[in-house]
Amino acid sequence: SAVISQKPSRDICQRGTSLTIQCQVDSQVTMMFWYRQQPGQSLTLIATANQGSEATYESGFVIDKFPISRPNLTFSTLTVSNMSPEDSSIYLCSVAVETYTEAFFGQGTRLTVV
Amino acid sequence: DQQVKQNSPSLSVQEGRISILNCDYTNSMFDYFLWYKKYPAEGPTFLISISSIKDKNEDGRFTVFLNKSAKHLSLHIVPSQPGDSAVYFCAASVGAGNMLTFGGGTRLMVKP
Repeated sequence: SAVISQKPSRDICQRGTSLTIQCQVDSQVTMMFWYRQQPGQSLTLIATANQGSEATYESGFVIDKFPISRPNLTFSTLTVSNMSPEDSSIYLCSVAVETYTEAFFGQGTRLTVV
Repeated sequence: DQQVKQNSPSLSVQEGRISILNCDYTNSMFDYFLWYKKYPAEGPTFLISISSIKDKNEDGRFTVFLNKSAKHLSLHIVPSQPGDSAVYFCAASVGAGNMLTFGGGTRLMVKP
C-alpha cells in the first residue's frame, strides 16, 4: 500500500489569504489526485496532479484558484487561493499505486475560512 | 448530474444483523467499483472493490454485489458490529486506479 502524509491536518484562515496543502507519499506513485469534501457533501475531484506538467482540472475548478504542483513522483501541493468562507471544506490527497487497484487517501486537511 | 448515487443518507441496524448499503450509477463506462469507509477527521479507507466482469466479491464480513443491467451495486456487512459505524462511500471509475466518482455517502449506525 502507500502511506500518505498530508499537512496541515487543519487550519483556520482569514478570507482573502491563501493556504498551501502538502501531500507526501512514502513511495513513488503513478497518479495523484486532489479531492474536496464540502460540509455534508460527497468527495469531488478537483484535479489530477501530473508529474512535470500542468494539472488536469475538473469542470468547475480552475488553476488560478487551485494551483497544483507535482515536482516528483512522491510529492504534490494544492494551494487554495484568495479564500472565501465557501472554500471551507476537507481537502484530500489521493494516490494510485501500481499493482494496487484501489486508491489510497491521506487523512485530509480541514480548512475553515473566517 | 450525479453519476453515482446513494439514495439512503443513513441506515441504522442492530449489532449482529445484516447491513445492506445500496448504490446506483448512470455512466455505462464505469467498469470498476469500490466501497470506502470514512470516520470523522480521517481520510476514506478502502473496504472492497469489484470489477464489472464479476457480479460478486467477498472479503470476510463484507460482500459487494454488482448488477450491471440495473447499474446497481450493494455492500452487505454480516454480521454488523458497532465498530462498523461510519460513513460509507460508493465510488466508480473507468479503469482501476483512475479518478473516482463518489456517491453522496450513507451513514451507518450499528447499535449494540
